[in-house]
Amino acid sequence: AQTVTQSQPEMSVQEAETVTLSCTYDTSESNYYLFWYKQPPSRQMILVIRQEAYKQQNATENRFSVNFQKAAKSFSLKISDSQLGDTAMYFCAFMKWGSGGYQKVTFGTGTKLQVIP
Amino acid sequence: DGGITQSPKYLFRKEGQNVTLSCEQNLNHDAMYWYRQDPGQGLRLIYYSQIVNDFQKGDIAEGYSVSREKKESFPLTVTSAQKNPTAFYLCASNQGAPNYGYTFGSGTRLTVV
Repeated sequence: AQTVTQSQPEMSVQEAETVTLSCTYDTSESNYYLFWYKQPPSRQMILVIRQEAYKQQNATENRFSVNFQKAAKSFSLKISDSQLGDTAMYFCAFMKWGSGGYQKVTFGTGTKLQVIP
Repeated sequence: DGGITQSPKYLFRKEGQNVTLSCEQNLNHDAMYWYRQDPGQGLRLIYYSQIVNDFQKGDIAEGYSVSREKKESFPLTVTSAQKNPTAFYLCASNQGAPNYGYTFGSGTRLTVV
């Protein structure tokens, strides 16, 4: 079974600064996908960024980028130029490509990020 | 706009009652999922369905039931057998390609009174 670990329950960052959220996972799979989801106070889950395990290049979406280290099974999220709207719970998620096409997703326990003005 | 609608937003249940949470999507997604969210535990999979009239248990299915009679709808019933049902419930869907991840509904907060 896959496990996803987010070791930072809470973090804070000053507005306009950069912050990195860590995530490690454990799997014996070779084909999988990794995601970061954001859950703001409204509790609506929003996909922030995704990474295919077969791609060596780190994914980037505007101010959000990842550092994907496959051998170390590490998938950290970097938020640059932090904004007040980035205040949210962030979940790291692992998705394997299962038989019959079902994608079983395992989520970490989340990191609560507070952006301070 | 396409999306997932969960209702109600807040739900209160008395001890011994069954309640049903609604999840409707107009994204034409084949797969739908129910997750439970508790503080400090992330999201845990309750049930999932890949096609109409078929569904499978997730990691914490005890005390829950589902149906998938229509592609658009995947209601979750929390039965009286669920001993600790107070939680936030999220419905999700995806279109079958793994790289798209999930689209989530806005959730239902269930409280036992």
